[in-house]
Amino acid sequence: KAGVTQTPRYLIKTRGQQVTLSCSPISGHRSVSWYQQTPGQGLQFLFEYFSETQRNKGNFPGRFSGRQFSNSRSEMNVSTLELGDSALYLCASSPPPGWGNTEAFFGQGTRLTVV
Amino acid sequence: GENVEQHPSTLSVQEGDSAVIKCTYSDSASNYFPWYKQELGKGPQLIIDIRSNVGEKKDQRIAVTLNKTAKHFSLHITETQPEDSAVYFCAASIGNDMRFGAGTRLTVKP
Repeated sequence: KAGVTQTPRYLIKTRGQQVTLSCSPISGHRSVSWYQQTPGQGLQFLFEYFSETQRNKGNFPGRFSGRQFSNSRSEMNVSTLELGDSALYLCASSPPPGWGNTEAFFGQGTRLTVV
Repeated sequence: GENVEQHPSTLSVQEGDSAVIKCTYSDSASNYFPWYKQELGKGPQLIIDIRSNVGEKKDQRIAVTLNKTAKHFSLHITETQPEDSAVYFCAASIGNDMRFGAGTRLTVKP
């Protein structure tokens, strides 16, 4: 079955702009989590959505937001971009609790560069 | 919230030697501990995981141990090969709330 799909793979934006990233989870998965990965900080948790509701949130400013649609696809939005937002943004989906594991399956990420 | 610390940040070994990466976590309610391998240009891939009701798990050259009392867990790779070179992340989770360590860059020298 298809894995987690993130689009676009690469993105270049200018400071002050906003950006929307998309994530399509594995079919049947309802939980989608977003992470920011930078060389110095590792994988930082942004937020997690389940059935269109944000269940958990990391320590990021309000410029970072997300949503999940009824088909479990998720988007994250970053407004008023700063140079420090340049990072690899990873999305992960997890199976429903009744499926056993809570393993997170990652997409390949979207590489965002802010100039 | 959960805080995961991972050591070392970089590790270099000779091919055939063993590699050990250690993690500690803060929330005693965490019950699932996966390890991910990330190769250049790819997203992290699960290589092994362990649940809080198990002390050790092995899969070929890879093993993970968990000490719930001390709240630490470790990844052991034996007979390392150059293709094991990658960044490894540990994580601790409660349900779908998963927090990661900062990663260990493992280099296996031929």
